[in-house]
Amino acid sequence: DTGVSQNPRHKITKRGQNVTFRCDPISEHNRLYWYRQTLGQGPEFLTYFQNEAQLEKSRLLSDRFSAERPKGSFSTLEIQRTEQGDSAMYLCASSLPEQGNPTNEKLLFGSGTQLSVL
Amino acid sequence: GENVEQHPSTLSVQEGDSAVIKCTYSDSASNYFPWYKQELGKGPQLIIDIRSNVGEKKDQRIAVTLNKTAKHFSLHITETQPEDSAVYFCAASREVTDSWGKLQFGAGTQVVVTP
Repeated sequence: DTGVSQNPRHKITKRGQNVTFRCDPISEHNRLYWYRQTLGQGPEFLTYFQNEAQLEKSRLLSDRFSAERPKGSFSTLEIQRTEQGDSAMYLCASSLPEQGNPTNEKLLFGSGTQLSVL
Repeated sequence: GENVEQHPSTLSVQEGDSAVIKCTYSDSASNYFPWYKQELGKGPQLIIDIRSNVGEKKDQRIAVTLNKTAKHFSLHITETQPEDSAVYFCAASREVTDSWGKLQFGAGTQVVVTP
């Protein structure tokens, strides 16, 4: 396992359709994060999991967005009734706080899923 | 909430020269400051980070400095090479529910290194 894996790499959909993205974190990492990045901007935090528990959600995450991490391993992000404003790169990151030094947490990102809503 | 501003938005340097990118943040409780490099079509790659108990950190050609009083931090790349060309992002975070991963990113700096 060489890194965070995201699928698909690209997704084109029509407005109103539902889409689902998958993230496979680095195997021993217990924390998993979703970010969204629009063109010319830095990534924006959406939500994060510690094991299977979703601990925080951004106000950016409308009720059309739902994320799951059922077994504490891979995660899915679903967008229902997509809108053109949902077009963005969806990034997943994972981390494992250092044993004995929990402040030493480093996020490692995947290559993202580029979503285009037509 | 935290607000991170990053300057400049674009930076063109000759190969071998130094590049400096500066960021300011607003939340005095922020205590973790990573820098990421993003190449076209790829996710951000962590290149260096610094925590608030340290003023400076260096890793080969890359260094980061932090001034907590002024709430700004900077990335320095020395002896730039064409492969340093990319978009660089600064970020800041503080502990939230025992995590430092809720990062607030700057808008990015496009660095172009010309041979």
